[in-house]
Amino acid sequence: DQQVKQNSPSLSVQEGRISILNCDYTNSMFDYFLWYKKYPAEGPTFLISISSIKDKNEDGRFTVFLNKSAKHLSLHIVPSQPGDSAVYFCAASSGNTGKLIFGQGTTLQVKP
Amino acid sequence: ETGVTQSPTHLIKTRGQQVTLRCSSQSGHNTVSWYQQALGQGPQFIFQYYREEENGRGNFPPRFSGLQFPNYSSELNVNALELDDSALYLCASSSLVASADEQYFGPGTRLTVT
Repeated sequence: DQQVKQNSPSLSVQEGRISILNCDYTNSMFDYFLWYKKYPAEGPTFLISISSIKDKNEDGRFTVFLNKSAKHLSLHIVPSQPGDSAVYFCAASSGNTGKLIFGQGTTLQVKP
Repeated sequence: ETGVTQSPTHLIKTRGQQVTLRCSSQSGHNTVSWYQQALGQGPQFIFQYYREEENGRGNFPPRFSGLQFPNYSSELNVNALELDDSALYLCASSSLVASADEQYFGPGTRLTVT
């Protein structure tokens, strides 16, 4: 049973435009959510996180939105840059532990 | 400050064999988590070690076992390898147990079981 789902395997956007990556979860016990970026031959790199007590968190070009009633979160990247091209994973945990449940990933391609 | 390192980078084993994967945690980190990432999937949590004790386990059979050493480095052992064990194995270290976003991943070990 996939508790964290990323339904879009891939996304292609033009440089300078907004990238929106989506993630849905089913377990209402999840209270901490994270986004990771992964380049080939490297491990995932932490990008941004959000606690369930918030509905938005910003860090530079990256903003994560959380809609608890819909059990949905999204990552916005504005403006998108070619260097943002990577696989993006959303992950969730109960109690902000290192035991993360990951989605399947979305491959983002930003075209120059 | 050195990052998380894993060895070997790649490994090919035959079904039924045993394998040991190694992870050196980042300096100052006392918690290590292991994940399995099958092709086209996200990482799946195997287990976590905190101060040499197992601190939580995912849905993996007992033939997946681990160790953490006094220097906080860690091993993942898999017995009786099956074809479905072919995957990228990632370890991640952190300085606190309850600190998901302070977790740093290594580059992984690619295991192929034939």
